[in-house]
Amino acid sequence: ELQLVESGGGLVQPGGSLRLSCAASGFSVSYDYMSWVRQAPGKGLEWVSVIYSGGSTHYADSVKGRFTISRDNSRNTLSLEMNRLRPEDTALYYCARDLIVGATPQAFDIWGQGTIVTVSS
Amino acid sequence: DIQMTQSPSSLSASVGDRVTITCRASQYISNFLNWYQQKPGKAPNLLIYTASSLRSGVPSRFSGSGSGTDFTLTISSLQPEDFGTYYCQQSYTTPSWTFGLGTTVAI
Repeated sequence: ELQLVESGGGLVQPGGSLRLSCAASGFSVSYDYMSWVRQAPGKGLEWVSVIYSGGSTHYADSVKGRFTISRDNSRNTLSLEMNRLRPEDTALYYCARDLIVGATPQAFDIWGQGTIVTVSS
Repeated sequence: DIQMTQSPSSLSASVGDRVTITCRASQYISNFLNWYQQKPGKAPNLLIYTASSLRSGVPSRFSGSGSGTDFTLTISSLQPEDFGTYYCQQSYTTPSWTFGLGTTVAI
């Protein structure tokens, strides 16, 4: 079964840091495109970051320079290092696998259950 | 960023009804449009990709259409388990994909 399980969320003060992890099973994060998507309480979905199979990374403007996506191929895990956190970063953070159609990423086909990040003093 | 506008924002329908949700992109996105269903407390679930391709395992009562800027998700005969919030998402401007604000379907 293809599965993603996130961990690492919690309560952090503004300006603080947090590291999220996402453990994959049934497939290899090193061969796929992997993303983080977040959902603020009662709000819609926002793409945050992606790491491609070749290692290149991309970020939403709202987190650029503060968040870092990475993967550990030996542990088959995806991570998101979040620094200088702001109250507006409060959200449920999902990791997701990109569906590749004709060598082009198209959609998110596998999602984890999410981990909650709360930024508040 | 490409803005995705969904309508209606919510609807209530009866079992067996035909339900249509629309999604409009702020600029041309070809057929790079996907649809997800999200139930309360759960992660989104991909239903339709590239505007009209039904994901394996998704019931055939779900269908998608459209191209360019205007898209539609149709549920041909609404079932009790189809409640939830439906999101469209564009994948034209890789990697900066954007979602609509969602349409909540109540039975």
